Amino acid sequence: NAGVTQTPKFQVLKTGQSMTLQCAQDMNHNSMYWYRQDPGMGLRLIYYSASEGTTDKGEVPNGYNVSRLNKREFSLRLESAAPSQTSVYFCASSGTGFGQPQHFGDGTRLSIL
Amino acid sequence: GIQVEQSPPDLILQEGANSTLRCNFSDSVNNLQWFHQNPWGQLINLFYIPSGTKQNGRLSATTVATERYSLLYISSSQTTDSGVYFCAVAFGNTPLVFGKGTRLSVIA
Repeated sequence: NAGVTQTPKFQVLKTGQSMTLQCAQDMNHNSMYWYRQDPGMGLRLIYYSASEGTTDKGEVPNGYNVSRLNKREFSLRLESAAPSQTSVYFCASSGTGFGQPQHFGDGTRLSIL
Repeated sequence: GIQVEQSPPDLILQEGANSTLRCNFSDSVNNLQWFHQNPWGQLINLFYIPSGTKQNGRLSATTVATERYSLLYISSSQTTDSGVYFCAVAFGNTPLVFGKGTRLSVIA
């Protein structure tokens, strides 16, 4: 009963490097989300996908791209990492739309030097 | 946009004590969720409660949407209740807005 699975759990990058964070859910949810969590800031939405084939910007999309690969998978890409993107990244999923309970993965702790 | 304020920011309890966490929000909502982030960083959805009262074991939550607040009650607290509790709200089909959380420490 995996729920939402994120990989990797930890990553250290150098400024300017690129990487992709992976997320997969097995709950047959239509909607998926990427958040970042910074100390004292709560969670902020980066991008979301209301359903397969659609993606939309959230509150803090700059410097990120996403791909909804299929119903199960939603990836987040940093094209040219910056120290300001050091954070903990969470993927979540829910039934269709924001008005459904969201379920989170365990997070990816990303440090950019 | 909607503003979410949680109080208190920090709370220390002796094991067995009860506590009430509050979430105030600035506008009408029809989506309110409570989450617990444990000391290992995992986020667990506790309640989806846009209005009314729900209970799950030692935890219960009440939302009074007309007065723009929600309360999370923890009874007979245990050390495993430690962590950060987040309230998140939205209106219509819009993204959740998270509060900054209440950090709870339960001491044996």
